[in-house]
Amino acid sequence: DVKVTQSSRYLVKRTGEKVFLECVQDMDHENMFWYRQDPGLGLRLIYFSYDVKMKEKGDIPEGYSVSREKKERFSLILESASTNQTSMYLCASSFGGGLANYGYTFGSGTRLTVV
Amino acid sequence: EDKVVQSPLSLVVHEGDTVTLNCSYEVTNFRSLLWYKQEKKAPTFLFMLTSSGIEKKSGRLSSILDKKELSSILNITATQTGDSAIYLCAVEGNAGNMLTFGGGTRLMVKP
Repeated sequence: DVKVTQSSRYLVKRTGEKVFLECVQDMDHENMFWYRQDPGLGLRLIYFSYDVKMKEKGDIPEGYSVSREKKERFSLILESASTNQTSMYLCASSFGGGLANYGYTFGSGTRLTVV
Repeated sequence: EDKVVQSPLSLVVHEGDTVTLNCSYEVTNFRSLLWYKQEKKAPTFLFMLTSSGIEKKSGRLSSILDKKELSSILNITATQTGDSAIYLCAVEGNAGNMLTFGGGTRLMVKP
């Protein structure tokens, strides 16, 4: 079974803190993605990566950065957390050759609250 | 820019009812449409529909793709409280290997 593991289920951080959200997958997937999920807005793509050390901006990259030093790990960084970054963050991964027959595999999500 | 719109935003039904969830899309070079179910945590895969597989069924759930109307429906018959969840529709378009998601439909099934 493919597993995508997000390091924290719930996080509470203060405004201005630097926040790291970690995501690890164990199926040798090339592609990894970070989304945020807000009520009524669905999933919005923050950043994605097709390979180690490669990153591409998604639809809402402002205020975020990412790091992919190893194939299995994709980190999302909030350089200076703000209250409007309070959200559910979902990590996902997929094969590089295509979505196979099931699309992405998702992590369980990290609910971040910035106070 | 690829766009996916789901309706309704939310829905409350009683056990035993049949529901239909809608998804419409505008994408460049459509490749596939996927449905996911999200309960308290990770979205889980339901169906993938492509030009060569426009209808899928699994138990009480079924989905149809209408390429002419650029839309899809997800039907759930004889709903149960365990069907309560957010249902996400996503489309793979020109970018390939990447999904654009709709806003989701929150379904609540009351006993």
